[in-house]
Amino acid sequence: GAGVSQSPSNKVTEKGKDVELRCDPISGHTALYWYRQSLGQGLEFLIYFQGNSAPDKSGLPSDRFSAERTGGSVSTLTIQRTQQEDSAVYLCASRSAGVQETQYFGPGTRLLVL
Amino acid sequence: KNQVEQSPQSLIILEGKNCTLQCNYTVSPFSNLRWYKQDTGRGPVSLTIMTFSENTKSNGRYTATLDADTKQSSLHITASQLSDSASYICVVRGDYEKLTFGTGTRLTIIP
Repeated sequence: GAGVSQSPSNKVTEKGKDVELRCDPISGHTALYWYRQSLGQGLEFLIYFQGNSAPDKSGLPSDRFSAERTGGSVSTLTIQRTQQEDSAVYLCASRSAGVQETQYFGPGTRLLVL
Repeated sequence: KNQVEQSPQSLIILEGKNCTLQCNYTVSPFSNLRWYKQDTGRGPVSLTIMTFSENTKSNGRYTATLDADTKQSSLHITASQLSDSASYICVVRGDYEKLTFGTGTRLTIIP
C-alpha cells in the first residue's frame, strides 16, 4: 500500500529563491502535519491541517513560510526568499481520525540553501 | 516549557547485545508517549505508544516502559541486530495536537 510520499527528495537552491515542497498523504487520512528536522535537532512542528478546519500555523517560524492543502489531500509547503538557516529536512506526516492514531511519516525533503 | 530529553545522545554496541535508551519529559498535561525509529534518510516509524495507565509495552525485541510519576520512559532493545542501527526518538503528546519531540539517540550496532 502507498505510504506518505514527498517530493522532491532533495532540493538545492540559492539564497533568496522560493521553493515548494510537496506532500501526498495516505489516502483517507484527514490530518496532515509538516515538521522540520535540522541536523542534531529534534523535529520542529510547523503546521497542522485537520479536515476542513482552519490550519494550526503556530509552528511556522516566519511569514516566509506558508502551506496549503488542496481538496483535503495534497499539501504544499512554500518557503519564500530562502535563507541558509532554512536548510533542513522537511517531513510530512498524516494520520487517520482520532488524535491517538499513529502519524505516518514521509521520507522527507532535504533542503539545502546555498 | 514542554521538553523531552533523551540519553545517551549516541550509543555503539556489539550485535547481539542489549541496550536501554532513556527519555525524560516535562510535558504537561500528558496524553501519550511514543517511541519512533528513524532510519537514515527515512521518516520516523512508530514502535510503541503508551498512555498514562500503561507502564510497559512490547513490540518484538523492543520493550518500552513508562513511569508517569517520575516522567521517565525507557526503550529496551534485546539481542540487537544490525538493522537496529537508527535514531530512536521519544515523542510526548500533551493536550490538543501538540507533540514534543526529543532530539533522539543515535544507535549504531557493529558486527
